[in-house]
Amino acid sequence: QVQLVESGGGLVKPGGSLRLSCAASGFTLSDYYMSWIRQAPGKGLEWVSYISYSGNAIYYADSVKGRFTISRDNAKNSLYLQMYSLRAEDTAVYYCVRLDRSSDAFDIWGQGTVVTVSS
Amino acid sequence: QSALTQPASVSGSPGQSITISCSGSSSDVGVYDYVSWYQQHPGKAPKLIIYHVANRPSGVSNRFSGSKSGNTASLTISGLQAEDEADYYCTSYTTSSLYVFGTGTKVTLL
Repeated sequence: QVQLVESGGGLVKPGGSLRLSCAASGFTLSDYYMSWIRQAPGKGLEWVSYISYSGNAIYYADSVKGRFTISRDNAKNSLYLQMYSLRAEDTAVYYCVRLDRSSDAFDIWGQGTVVTVSS
Repeated sequence: QSALTQPASVSGSPGQSITISCSGSSSDVGVYDYVSWYQQHPGKAPKLIIYHVANRPSGVSNRFSGSKSGNTASLTISGLQAEDEADYYCTSYTTSSLYVFGTGTKVTLL
């Protein structure tokens, strides 16, 4: 079945780095845009970034621009989020999400991986 | 990138209808029909329930409907049921080629 599984979350100190991975299955990754969306504890959803089919187009939320890098490896059916200069306010559940451009909606979500930034 | 504005909470009795608003601007909701809605139960990942303002994905109950007028989109849940208790979020594509989410609305049954 169509599935997204995130990994790589954990506890990191302020200023540190972390790389999230997302394994896609049940569909052809190269047929879809992909995105990362996060949710801080007890807070709402925040769109973080998205990447086009082959990675030619990439966009970031202002809150992470210059610190986060999204990438993909279609041959490995994988999506990544490299996070640098992490701050306490980056603490959140990070969801890997499929972005269907035909519906312009986030139609498939992973279960999320928890990132905690704390000293 | 200001978040779209939603009421913090909406409540209704079983069987009633409720409407959740999602207020944006002429840079997002007002200019595109790329508004979608998501339902999130506690501890779970969000689920897409409406796309392109008023379209339902396969398998989503027809008790959920969407609309838009100007810079404001709306989600209506008719025949409210216990399973509808959840958080609801709208999102829109923007003229900056970014996405913005709403502040979220908690739906509770009376």
